Amino acid sequence: ILNVEQSPQSLHVQEGDSTNFTCSFPSSNFYALHWYRWETAKSPEALFVMTLNGDEKKKGRISATLNTKEGYSYLYIKGSQPEDSATYLCAFMVDSGAGSYQLTFGKGTKLSVIP
Amino acid sequence: EPEVTQTPSHQVTQMGQEVILRCVPISNHLYFYWYRQILGQKVEFLVSFYNNEISEKSEIFDDQFSVERPDGSNFTLKIRSTKLEDSAMYFCASRTLSYYNEQFFGPGTRLTVL
Repeated sequence: ILNVEQSPQSLHVQEGDSTNFTCSFPSSNFYALHWYRWETAKSPEALFVMTLNGDEKKKGRISATLNTKEGYSYLYIKGSQPEDSATYLCAFMVDSGAGSYQLTFGKGTKLSVIP
Repeated sequence: EPEVTQTPSHQVTQMGQEVILRCVPISNHLYFYWYRQILGQKVEFLVSFYNNEISEKSEIFDDQFSVERPDGSNFTLKIRSTKLEDSAMYFCASRTLSYYNEQFFGPGTRLTVL
């Protein structure tokens, strides 16, 4: 059974603080790691698809790094804003041989940014 | 911007009843998925669908579940005889042919089985 773990489970930060979360995943048979941002009552929104060891991706104030050899990815938010409040999900892409490349999710990190 | 849509947003049903959850994936996408999240738990993969047939299914996706793409735009999940433990948020997702691309998710249908 594949295990994708995220920490912390929840986080409260003050507006303007920078923060980071961790996603750990199996280091073998790696295809890709996805990060999603999910606000209540909305669709989970893809932030990054990370495929190569050492990858660093950035979108505005949010960035992510990937270490496939040790099986972890970090998501960083610089200068958190109230609109960053959401649950951040990471998902490990699996291929069982059928080509469907389904996602195995972590439980998420719930971020609350206090104005 | 194209998006995945799902209807209804919330479905309440009695145990033993059949439910059909509907999804309209993004029009040029080729792979379609159903996932679910039981409250407080991880989002779990149920089934993937490609070229009008099931590509992969999880252990959760037993004989009570079925999927179809009846008209080339809708993608449906049917639960034949709902159980209390089927209560969850059900998400539809779709992607293009390249597995390096993101999966686009719908907003989900919250199914409550009484």
